Amino acid sequence: AQKVTQAQTEISVVEKEDVTLDCVYETRDTTYYLFWYKQPPSGELVFLIRRNSFDEQNEISGRYSWNFQKSTSSFNFTITASQVVDSAVYFCALSENYGGATNKLIFGTGTLLAVQP
Amino acid sequence: DAGVTQSPTHLIKTRGQHVTLRCSPISGHKSVSWYQQVLGQGPQFIFQYYEKEERGRGNFPDRFSARQFPNYSSELNVNALLLGDSALYLCASSLELAGLTDTQYFGPGTRLTVL
Repeated sequence: AQKVTQAQTEISVVEKEDVTLDCVYETRDTTYYLFWYKQPPSGELVFLIRRNSFDEQNEISGRYSWNFQKSTSSFNFTITASQVVDSAVYFCALSENYGGATNKLIFGTGTLLAVQP
Repeated sequence: DAGVTQSPTHLIKTRGQHVTLRCSPISGHKSVSWYQQVLGQGPQFIFQYYEKEERGRGNFPDRFSARQFPNYSSELNVNALLLGDSALYLCASSLELAGLTDTQYFGPGTRLTVL
């Protein structure tokens, strides 16, 4: 069965600290996609990154970086020098392409990140 | 460009009533998906529509239905509301080029409270 596990329910850090959010996934397919979304208190899910199963290159975007390791089925997200504005719930999600048919996202339970000033 | 829009923002209903939620996708996007997010949980997939056809349905009862219009906007209908239907309902749109998995972009959601 497809599943996404975010074991960290809540993380609290002080501004400027680095923080890593963990994501472990389970899937039977060889072709799949992984995503990270941010959900601030307003409720809207904001897309951060998408990675397909054939691309294991790590990615850096400003203070954000992602580490994808197929060997451990993990797709971890690191925020460097955290800021108060990073405070939100972060979701990791898995999508499987059923040959162009249903493309549904399977979400983890989310990690609440609180960045204290 | 405008993002995904949803209406209404908030809604309060009583048990047994019916509700209709609306979604307009990003211009050019042909696929719309609906998700239910209960407090403290991740979103759960309800439906996906592409070119007005249902392409997938999550594990939700028949009280939940949806449709997509020629302009690609969509409605989610829920009949015979239960207290457990109280949640944030999220709509997402994507390009969905044939055979490809595209990124889903979410709207601000509709907060439904059932009393």
